Amino acid sequence: EDQVTQSPEALRLQEGESSSLNCSYTVSGLRGLFWYRQDPGKGPEFLFTLYSAGEEKEKERLKATLTKKESFLHITAPKPEDSATYLCAVQVTRGSARQLTFGSGTQLTVLP
Amino acid sequence: ETGVTQSPTHLIKTRGQQVTLRCSSQSGHNTVSWYQQALGQGPQFIFQYYREEENGRGNFPPRFSGLQFPNYSSELNVNALELDDSALYLCASSRDLGREQYFGPGTRLTVT
Repeated sequence: EDQVTQSPEALRLQEGESSSLNCSYTVSGLRGLFWYRQDPGKGPEFLFTLYSAGEEKEKERLKATLTKKESFLHITAPKPEDSATYLCAVQVTRGSARQLTFGSGTQLTVLP
Repeated sequence: ETGVTQSPTHLIKTRGQQVTLRCSSQSGHNTVSWYQQALGQGPQFIFQYYREEENGRGNFPPRFSGLQFPNYSSELNVNALELDDSALYLCASSRDLGREQYFGPGTRLTVT
């Protein structure tokens, strides 16, 4: 069974204090790993897709990396507006569908 | 470019009733997936539609059903509502199978 585990569950940072979020996964037939940001009461917002171990993607203060067993989302010098829940998801093929299996998320709070 | 839209925003139903939720996919997208998100959890895959055909389903009972129309918009129908069906229902569209999925704002369903 596909499993995605995110840690920590919650993280509080001071503005400017860099850190990393972890997403470990156990799947058969990984077709991609996705990072999303979700604000309270809203739908997830797409951030990155990673397809192969060693791949890295960057966007503003965020950088995502991928190994064969886990992915990291590095946040450099975060600002209060980076506060949100960050979700990772693995994409696998089930029959004809490309299904996303999500972790439970890391709730990030950045204090001014 | 218009993003994914969902209606209604909020809905309150009584146990045993039926509900229909609607989703308009992003322009140029032919794949729609539906997810259920309980409070504090990641989204769970319900099913996926590709070019008007259901091509994959998660661990949800048959009382969860759907449709995709020729313009690639979609409906999620839930019969015989149960209290545990209370959740945020998310629709996501993608340009093709395997591409990144873009989420709508969700419909908050409360079953009393």
